[in-house]
Amino acid sequence: AQSVTQLDSQVPVFEEAPVELRCNYSSSVSVYLFWYVQYPNQGLQLLLKYLSGSTLVKGINGFEAEFNKSQTSFHLRKPSVHISDTAEYFCAVSDSGGSNYKLTFGKGTLLTVNP
Amino acid sequence: DAGVIQSPRHEVTEMGQEVTLRCKPISGHDYLFWYRQTMMRGLELLIYFNNNVPIDDSGMPEDRFSAKMPNASFSTLKIQPSEPRDSAVYFCASSPPGGYGYTFGSGTRLTVV
Repeated sequence: AQSVTQLDSQVPVFEEAPVELRCNYSSSVSVYLFWYVQYPNQGLQLLLKYLSGSTLVKGINGFEAEFNKSQTSFHLRKPSVHISDTAEYFCAVSDSGGSNYKLTFGKGTLLTVNP
Repeated sequence: DAGVIQSPRHEVTEMGQEVTLRCKPISGHDYLFWYRQTMMRGLELLIYFNNNVPIDDSGMPEDRFSAKMPNASFSTLKIQPSEPRDSAVYFCASSPPGGYGYTFGSGTRLTVV
């Protein structure tokens, strides 16, 4: 079974500051990794994904994440945040080796960007 | 593409009533997923379909919950009878083959009073 741990439930930052949202996963098989963002009263939107290849993945809205297999981590970063980045962020994992495409999500991290 | 379409956006019902949530996936997506989101439990996978066939329903909480996918463009999640603890946001998502990430609908916020 797979699991995802998002180490911070809330992260407050000031506008234009850098931010890192942490994600660790547990799996006995090779994985695909994802970050989703959820704005208030909306569905989840895919930010970026790691499938294979380069461990540094760039996504939308200036976000990037780095896959670290030895640390079983997939932390999300942005060098300078905006007020509009305030949202909940979810890390997710799926099995890359078979036909099981279900995603297991972390509990989410609420990013609050203050002026 | 209009994306994944869910209806209704909000539903308020009385305990004991039947509730039906609807989902239209993205055309060409072979996988359809139903998730439930609550503050306490986060996002939980209830059931998913591949080519209209239920593959894994181990997340369906009770026999009161049922899901169908009669064709490639429509799925329903039914709760009968509904209970206050079923109050949550229910999301539908679809994915093309390969598991390369889902597209979520906007969700249905269900309140059972």
